[in-house]
Amino acid sequence: DTEVTQTPKHLVMGMTNKKSLKCEQHMGHRAMYWYKQKAKKPPELMFVYSYEKLSINESVPSRFSPECPNSSLLNLHLHALQPEDSALYLCASSQAGPWANEKLFFGSGTQLSVL
Amino acid sequence: GENVEQHPSTLSVQEGDSAVIKCTYSDSASNYFPWYKQELGKGPQLIIDIRSNVGEKKDQRIAVTLNKTAKHFSLHITETQPEDSAVYFCAASPSYNQGGKLIFGQGTELSVKP
Repeated sequence: DTEVTQTPKHLVMGMTNKKSLKCEQHMGHRAMYWYKQKAKKPPELMFVYSYEKLSINESVPSRFSPECPNSSLLNLHLHALQPEDSALYLCASSQAGPWANEKLFFGSGTQLSVL
Repeated sequence: GENVEQHPSTLSVQEGDSAVIKCTYSDSASNYFPWYKQELGKGPQLIIDIRSNVGEKKDQRIAVTLNKTAKHFSLHITETQPEDSAVYFCAASPSYNQGGKLIFGQGTELSVKP
């Protein structure tokens, strides 16, 4: 299994809602990532978990809250988002941490619309 | 920090022709250079990568070349097919003691016309 699975594929939420994005991988990878991608732009790194510990937070606003319950799962909790947060949210994993220059495996993403 | 520039932003070729996408990077400490292909509605998928101790790498119709002195690397796709149509991103990553974070180029939208 070389897949990173993300749910849901699409999400529409209001600015007062609380929702969560989920990501799962069964490749035994020990690093997991959240990226944000705007249309026609490259992915932008948000968070990195390495061995289930948060190792990188790219100064992301607190309305985005990551969680890594175990080595296979990664969540992104969303609260009080703004319309400008509408984007494709991508999860990725790699065998080791970002410093190891390992191959990144991306999921298909969650297309988020904030109304 | 690292900065990666990618050209062209759009590229249109006829089926069967070759396509070349070029990237330059700024940080001489970068030592890992992957290329990702992103089809509509999907996440980026790694298609080929090269490390700084290698000048060229091939995988069937795809090749990547690296010139460390000039700090640029290129993706070459030969005998293009309509299914090669996608957005391609180059990236560069410095070594661990430089942060090790992958920095992406702005992307190239490749269109292969049948």
